[in-house]
Amino acid sequence: DTAVSQTPKYLVTQMGNDKSIKCEQNLGHDTMYWYKQDSKKFLKIMFSYNNKELIINETVPNRFSPKSPDKAHLNLHINSLELGDSAVYFCASGGAGEAFFGQGTRLTVV
Amino acid sequence: ELKVEQNPLFLSMQEGKNYTIYCNYSTTSDRLYWYRQDPGKSLESLFVLLSNGAVKQEGRLMASLDTKARLSTLHITAAVHDLSATYFCAVASGGYQKVTFGTGTKLQVIP
Repeated sequence: DTAVSQTPKYLVTQMGNDKSIKCEQNLGHDTMYWYKQDSKKFLKIMFSYNNKELIINETVPNRFSPKSPDKAHLNLHINSLELGDSAVYFCASGGAGEAFFGQGTRLTVV
Repeated sequence: ELKVEQNPLFLSMQEGKNYTIYCNYSTTSDRLYWYRQDPGKSLESLFVLLSNGAVKQEGRLMASLDTKARLSTLHITAAVHDLSATYFCAVASGGYQKVTFGTGTKLQVIP
């Protein structure tokens, strides 16, 4: 069983569109995250949720809106996509220990 | 704001050689992680270091933590080609809710 699963794995879309990435974890963790990895492989935290509550919002444009319907799911909705949003987005979950990452969603905005 | 720096950013080494990757961080934390990322893949957890002086080893990799110096090292012994990947350290803060990653070290082991 995949511990942290994201869909889709690849997403190609035009500027201005709205898209969503879904994430689910079956590890029973309370905390879930979204990270963005840019073309230089730098990983930056975007959001952290704990038991469905937003804990961290790292100055991400408000075009990005996370939603956590329950503690096993953390989805990311992006409005009005821009070229600069092209990156790999990783979902992760963690308890008091390390974070476990999903396989990533490669978003390409054209 | 917590800053996490790794060096070197890029490391090319021959098989059989030893080397160390360094991870410095700017504020107090007693929880540090090392991850491995293969090209186009996700991040794989290697080590979790929870206290000052912690040392963990797995195969040819050994990680250590000095919380007073705010320094962690990842030592590679007798490198093999399969170790080629990008290695990230990450530091927990804010009650472990926030994990900040270093810049990554791309390791290339040449046969």
